[in-house]
Amino acid sequence: GAVVSQHPSRVICKSGTSVKIECRSLDFQATTMFWYRQFPKKSLMLMATSNEGSKATYEQGVEKDKFLINHASLTLSTLTVTSAHPEDSSFYICSAIGAGGGSTDTQYFGPGTRLTVL
Amino acid sequence: LAKTTQPISMDSYEGQEVNITCSHNNIATNDYITWYQQFPSQGPRFIIQGYKTKVTNEVASLFIPADRKSSTLSLPRVSLSDTAVYYCLVGDQTGANNLFFGTGTRLTVIP
Repeated sequence: GAVVSQHPSRVICKSGTSVKIECRSLDFQATTMFWYRQFPKKSLMLMATSNEGSKATYEQGVEKDKFLINHASLTLSTLTVTSAHPEDSSFYICSAIGAGGGSTDTQYFGPGTRLTVL
Repeated sequence: LAKTTQPISMDSYEGQEVNITCSHNNIATNDYITWYQQFPSQGPRFIIQGYKTKVTNEVASLFIPADRKSSTLSLPRVSLSDTAVYYCLVGDQTGANNLFFGTGTRLTVIP
């Protein structure tokens, strides 16, 4: 149980285009999903927190107009990188927390999406 | 938000037990300690979570002293496939503030 998927796993795009990344919780309902970015040999950095049906909360320094997050249902959140530039090339990872509560809920992570902007 | 400190890297030979310690001096009363494993170009994978004393599952043990200001992940008899980065995170039991990834510990298992 507690499986999170991401699509696509890898994307290459031209500078100036927009890219959408999907994050799905496959076997549970996720009240909250998180988006992280990870550069090579570095740790994960939280970009934003999204709750179903409400606006995402962005971390300091993350441009909300550039990284559009939509959490339209309890199983799907999307991250759209708008007008992508080479410096946006990174590994994007989502995670989700289940809606069921419990004594030791934790984040379950997707496999990540490698974005390369040419 | 409690931050964590871990050794940057560790090496171990195959078959040995590996202990990775994490310091979290500012841990709050409601905070749990969670450890993740990450392979290159993959998302982190949950290993173990605990609140106090000792927790054991099929892959690891987690030791937490009474003051909870540190924790130790113990991997028994590591193999080459355990080479990865290990992160400890501290946050409440919902995971909602369990979000700060420190440097992690890069474990290299040597044949």
